[in-house]
Amino acid sequence: QVQLQESGPGLVKPSETLSLSCTVSGGSVTSESYHWSWIRQPPGKGLEWIGDVYYSGSTEYNPSLKSRVTMSVDTSKNQFSLKLSSVNAADTAVYYCAREDVVAATLDFWGQGILVTVSS
Amino acid sequence: DIQMTQSPSSLSASVGDRVTLTCHASHDINNFLNWYQQKPGKAPKLLIYGASSLETGVPSRFSGSRSGTDFTVTISSLQPEDFATYFCQQHSTFPYTFGQGTKLEIK
Repeated sequence: QVQLQESGPGLVKPSETLSLSCTVSGGSVTSESYHWSWIRQPPGKGLEWIGDVYYSGSTEYNPSLKSRVTMSVDTSKNQFSLKLSSVNAADTAVYYCAREDVVAATLDFWGQGILVTVSS
Repeated sequence: DIQMTQSPSSLSASVGDRVTLTCHASHDINNFLNWYQQKPGKAPKLLIYGASSLETGVPSRFSGSRSGTDFTVTISSLQPEDFATYFCQQHSTFPYTFGQGTKLEIK
């Protein structure tokens, strides 16, 4: 059974860079069958797709965040990561990592989520 | 971006009720529509993909359908564990977008 686990700081200052990692167990980030995704959810609100990364390094980002987002894969650690620059209070959210099936385009396994608060 | 609009935003129902939740897409998305269930403090869980296919392990009381740009998920007989928030998500066009959710509450 695949498991995903987010890690990173729970508090980030305004204008700084949010950096999160997602460790995959029970599967490999080098699989050709999956993209590796990030989704966020502000407290009490809906879900926003941030983007995804493939093992090759190719990425797809939400245009609303594209200028501030970088995603990458670290095959040596079986992890993928998210960097979001120049954060502000509107970036406060629970950040989820998830596995996306390439064929079905389903987010079929999710991490438990990590709350990141942007505050000075 | 393709807008996904869910209705109602909340719904009160009783155990054993049959309920239908709706999701409307602003553009044609074919069958590229998934449904997720989210319980408080938990990550979303995939229920239905391709508008009408049940994910493995999801009870058969759940079903999904499509009519044009309108999609529904029906729970034939509500169980206590079904009270949660339900989100639809389109994967026809980037960026993927979600509906705002329907919160299903116990009456």
